[in-house]
Amino acid sequence: GEDVEQSLFLSVREGDSSVINCTYTDSSSTYLYWYKQEPGAGLQLLTYIFSNMDMKQDQRLTVLLNKKDKHLSLRIADTQTGDSAIYFCAEPMDSNYQLIWGAGTKLIIKP
Amino acid sequence: DGGITQSPKYLFRKEGQNVTLSCEQNLNHDAMYWYRQDPGQGLRLIYYSQIVNDFQKGDIAEGYSVSREKKESFPLTVTSAQKNPTAFYLCASTATGSGYTFGSGTRLTVV
Repeated sequence: GEDVEQSLFLSVREGDSSVINCTYTDSSSTYLYWYKQEPGAGLQLLTYIFSNMDMKQDQRLTVLLNKKDKHLSLRIADTQTGDSAIYFCAEPMDSNYQLIWGAGTKLIIKP
Repeated sequence: DGGITQSPKYLFRKEGQNVTLSCEQNLNHDAMYWYRQDPGQGLRLIYYSQIVNDFQKGDIAEGYSVSREKKESFPLTVTSAQKNPTAFYLCASTATGSGYTFGSGTRLTVV
């Protein structure tokens, strides 16, 4: 069945790069999404990538997509304390209305 | 500004009580969703609605009920049949082919 997998935790030092990984199962997905959830808040759309792209860059964020391996990654350059959050990867189901969610990766920043 | 509003932010429920969580959007989105999030866990789908006067059960619908009488509104009732309702509840909406917009969440606690 359809499933999105992420590791649950990532710990990095302030100023280093963070790389959060995600694997998905539906190769026909048109978009893939990254959401950020700060403590006690809802989820915010961080970025997304079209399935016909390999890479998307937006300031400190770089999304890489490997369709052959069904692997998506989010790289955050120069990680800051404000980047502490849970990051969710998501892909659309066939209906295009519903998203399938990963369990979320908690990014922990060490001083 | 368009957005999605959840209220209240915090809610306390006594044993045996029904409580209703509000979710309103002015984004003209067709689809709306309710998720439950437990500490350290991902999102679990409770109910969703793709059009007015129609809704479907998600993965954990037992003990919950919803209505969709207006496009803008999708209230969730947590009934006394839900034995472990303490959680963070998130409402979201979307239009076809776009990502989700989330509310800021309601934290429900049983007292």
